[in-house]
Amino acid sequence: AQKITQTQPGMFVQEKEAVTLDCTYDTSDPSYGLFWYKQPSSGEMIFLIYQGSYDQQNATEGRYSLNFQKARKSANLVISASQLGDSAMYFCAMREGPTNAGKSTFGDGTTLTVKP
Amino acid sequence: GAVVSQHPSWVICKSGTSVKIECRSLDFQATTMFWYRQFPKQSLMLMATSNEGSKATYEQGVEKDKFLINHASLTLSTLTVTSAHPEDSSFYICSALPSQGIGQYFGPGTRLTVT
Repeated sequence: AQKITQTQPGMFVQEKEAVTLDCTYDTSDPSYGLFWYKQPSSGEMIFLIYQGSYDQQNATEGRYSLNFQKARKSANLVISASQLGDSAMYFCAMREGPTNAGKSTFGDGTTLTVKP
Repeated sequence: GAVVSQHPSWVICKSGTSVKIECRSLDFQATTMFWYRQFPKQSLMLMATSNEGSKATYEQGVEKDKFLINHASLTLSTLTVTSAHPEDSSFYICSALPSQGIGQYFGPGTRLTVT
């Protein structure tokens, strides 16, 4: 079974509107970390937001927030007030284990296009 | 913030030659670095985990004799694609794990084209 599932290959959003990118994960480890990355056409991977499995509150970073529903094993990324520069590929990733030493598993990604 | 560089950013080589890609953590030490391969519009595929001072750990299906990894210092890991073929053309990305903190820091990637 896939450890990280992103079911939306492509998404469109109107500029200034909010958009939710879906991510579900599968693990039996009680300790894990969830990450979202943005990859523009230049190719660089840009870290957006992190959620630890024991974090009580949903993570937020500026216009990015992570809707963490532990029981449903979902970690959706919400981008508020979309901008044209948000057009990119977005990856959800999970690192299993209690430390930062482990490798991460990436989802297949979602291509977001922001329309003017 | 933590910065990881990769060199070269792009390279074109002829079939049968070898290409070396460098990954450096510029302002932190990294005992662990990762090497990924990415095809257009696809996800990152982990190739190997590079550990300073020891042999790399390769993922299943990755030929260790073809993709040589050396992690000679706490700030430098290299990936050498030996006897490159056109099917090795891809985007190669490295990342580095800081000893403290959360997550990994990615390099800007190297686009390899084998003709």
